[in-house]
Amino acid sequence: ETGVTQSPTHLIKTRGQQVTLRCSSQSGHNTVSWYQQALGQGPQFIFQYYREEENGRGNFPPRFSGLQFPNYSSELNVNALELDDSALYLCASSNISYNEQFFGPGTRLTVL
Amino acid sequence: DQQVKQNSPSLSVQEGRISILNCDYTNSMFDYFLWYKKYPAEGPTFLISISSIKDKNEDGRFTVFLNKSAKHLSLHIVPSQPGDSAVYFCAATAYNFNKFYFGSGTKLNVKP
Repeated sequence: ETGVTQSPTHLIKTRGQQVTLRCSSQSGHNTVSWYQQALGQGPQFIFQYYREEENGRGNFPPRFSGLQFPNYSSELNVNALELDDSALYLCASSNISYNEQFFGPGTRLTVL
Repeated sequence: DQQVKQNSPSLSVQEGRISILNCDYTNSMFDYFLWYKKYPAEGPTFLISISSIKDKNEDGRFTVFLNKSAKHLSLHIVPSQPGDSAVYFCAATAYNFNKFYFGSGTKLNVKP
């Protein structure tokens, strides 16, 4: 059973740039959720995708967008990067029928 | 709006003793609660969960207690082991399961 993987591991961008983060779901999972974890904080829900459609969204502006592909992998896109976007971005996959989410190791984004 | 709170940023316990981690929530709609453990450079790992129809769930050394009237849950680890040293997050969700709310975490240090 393959776990959740994320790429890249680390990323450095400058303010105003755009970034794409990628996530591969665990085998058999059809739902992907993205979280932002700032230093010293818990993960904050960004949005969830189920069967290629957004299925819930947290309090994040529209410049945070996502995609889910037919193989259930997913992308998180952030436009017009701001310094406060610097954080660990976590992807979690699950089967919509169950409650447990399996997390990837995260992508550390630094915005300068 | 912090709907899930972990008011103790850190906890230090001697090996073999009990560790008690606490979590409070404000939203009475939450009906499913989870605990995750996170080691540095890894994503959170699911530990144990509890449904609102129960007040206790046990899995080996880990027991979660839920007090719905107080909107409080706790995680008990008995006996604590040095390998339990990690950051512990509690999380809560409502019926539709498409949004999870996390606390800010408690860093547990189990001393040998």
